Amino acid sequence: DSGVTQTPKHLITATGQRVTLRCSPRSGDLSVYWYQQSLDQGLQFLIQYYNGEERAKGNILERFSAQQFPDLHSELNLSSLELGDSALYFCASSAAADSTDTQYFGPGTRLTVL
Amino acid sequence: QKEVEQDPGPLSVPEGAIVSLNCTYSNSAFQYFMWYRQYSRKGPELLMYTYSSGNKEDGRFTAQVDKSSKYISLFIRDSQPSDSATYLCAMARRGYSTLTFGKGTMLLVSP
Repeated sequence: DSGVTQTPKHLITATGQRVTLRCSPRSGDLSVYWYQQSLDQGLQFLIQYYNGEERAKGNILERFSAQQFPDLHSELNLSSLELGDSALYFCASSAAADSTDTQYFGPGTRLTVL
Repeated sequence: QKEVEQDPGPLSVPEGAIVSLNCTYSNSAFQYFMWYRQYSRKGPELLMYTYSSGNKEDGRFTAQVDKSSKYISLFIRDSQPSDSATYLCAMARRGYSTLTFGKGTMLLVSP
């Protein structure tokens, strides 16, 4: 168990809908990262927050947004969902803001868009 | 050309074999190199973390980095059925938080 929790485990929804994925980092970690994993693209970095502020942005679509709250948990919002958004979404956390610190991954949320 | 290339496998070996997993990369700015293990339907977990060129050993696992060839390897000695998983290489530049992952190699160790 990495100490990172993600809810829900599974999510099934329809095209055009909006969903929210939630992540709680390990105790004491200030950085939260969101990744998307699909068979086609592998594990792709979406966005990072550090202590409530956006720190880095990757291949995140405009339809997706995220935030980190004062208690350090984070939410990833996905809107106007398309079939191609079906994937595993992982959250990871680390103590520091840069890559020198180990990122610990949560168990993921499996999103299925029908 | 993708920044990080990794053979997807599957790689099938008998129990006790030595396994070699590899990644090549194109960005010479990468300085931090990691190997993650991912079991089916689970999140990736960090196995090895190395900085720049050289070898690092941890139990049955050895990570090797050759920056001149832009090539990294993970060796698993005395492989076990419990090692059956997907192995992902990941890389990062100094001062940056972004990890770039390979697509992963599926390893199957048969008893």
